[in-house]
Amino acid sequence: NAGVTQTPKFRILKIGQSMTLQCTQDMNHNYMYWYRQDPGMGLKLIYYSVGAGITDKGEVPNGYNVSRSTTEDFPLRLELAAPSQTSVYFCASSYQEGYTFGSGTRLTVV
Amino acid sequence: GNSVTQMEGPVTLSEEAFLTINCTYTATGYPSLFWYVQYPGEGLQLLLKATKADDKGSNKGFEATYRKETTSFHLEKGSVQVSDSAVYFCALVNDYKLSFGAGTTVTVRA
Repeated sequence: NAGVTQTPKFRILKIGQSMTLQCTQDMNHNYMYWYRQDPGMGLKLIYYSVGAGITDKGEVPNGYNVSRSTTEDFPLRLELAAPSQTSVYFCASSYQEGYTFGSGTRLTVV
Repeated sequence: GNSVTQMEGPVTLSEEAFLTINCTYTATGYPSLFWYVQYPGEGLQLLLKATKADDKGSNKGFEATYRKETTSFHLEKGSVQVSDSAVYFCALVNDYKLSFGAGTTVTVRA
């Protein structure tokens, strides 16, 4: 029972580079989310999806894009990495009010 | 909008001490309330939840009661252990999205 799987676990990017953070869940949950965690700031919602083909912005969407072509996958795209995007990123999925989080991706932009 | 305010840390305790972490919220309607725990280097795990006023959530010796009149959901444990050292997040869900407090770092010393 894998739950929510995120890859990679760690990544260092140079300013202006792009990358995709992968997120896959095997629980057939319709709802999926991307959060970023900054020290002392809790988790902030970047984007979320209520089902395949449907995505919407959260609190801090600038600089990010998402897609949801299947129920299982919810990748997060950074097009032009900036130092302000240095953070730990968590993907989550939910059914009713049961949320499952991935183990996170630690991203550093230098 | 929705917001969660929790006690600032860090909190340092000796083993077997009593732990309280205060949490208050602002929300429309009657959201479900959660406490999540994050152990070093890991993702978030659900610690306990309460879905309506006066409900008490409990798990692993931790308790929290949903107090609608004071819009609070304080976390308590009567006798902490070194293994309880972690970051604790208070959260609420409204419209399927979780909103988190800033987190409280708890360190328990032997």
